[in-house]
Amino acid sequence: QSALTQPASVSGSPGQSITISCTGTSSDVGGYKFVSWYQQHPGKAPKLMIYDVSNRPSGVSNRFSGSKSANTASLTISGLQAEDEADYYCSSYTTSSTVVFGGGTKLTVL
Amino acid sequence: QVQLVETGGGVVQPGGSLRLSCAASGFTFSSYGMNWVRQAPGKGLEWLAFIRYDGNNKYYAESVKGRFTISRDNSEKTLYLQMNSLRAEDTAVYYCAKVQEVWSVAGTGAFDIWGQGTMVIVSS
Repeated sequence: QSALTQPASVSGSPGQSITISCTGTSSDVGGYKFVSWYQQHPGKAPKLMIYDVSNRPSGVSNRFSGSKSANTASLTISGLQAEDEADYYCSSYTTSSTVVFGGGTKLTVL
Repeated sequence: QVQLVETGGGVVQPGGSLRLSCAASGFTFSSYGMNWVRQAPGKGLEWLAFIRYDGNNKYYAESVKGRFTISRDNSEKTLYLQMNSLRAEDTAVYYCAKVQEVWSVAGTGAFDIWGQGTMVIVSS
């Protein structure tokens, strides 16, 4: 199972919006609603930000939103803040009953 | 509070074995599927294995199938990862992660709680 494809890096200024894409296939992202997004700060464990494509866990800011079209999922962060600077990973359930992560995207807040 | 604590990491020679443990607290461990995920130094996350809430279903990544075994002891609220035939490329921080939805039978659920990770170094 190949990793999902994410851009290596994205950047934005405070207050702006950015979108991170996550491209898979019909065997993973395109075939299920089970797409999640995680935020990871250096030296820390990942934190769940979005589950089931577009749902936010309790406590996660509504500046974070998710969507999906065909084989590509997206994470949008609006009103960028300095503390959003982190690595972001998408994940998806697959037809092999496994889970696959994206390669990760480093978000820089300028 | 809800917490996962991994232990058992360390330095091991290539070809050696190691068993990781993940102690759970603050939630009904026996009701949730669990996963192991690793992260090599400077690299991304890699899912390794899932075990159903009752231990009856297990799924593995191809990279570890046949070498690693996931198991759990619900009476001890502990998840395990037995790692055999270790290779240099298994060097990573290993995380256990709880599935968000109760009674999950496959790895469909998101991972809502993560441990702090335990480092495994495979080197001679």
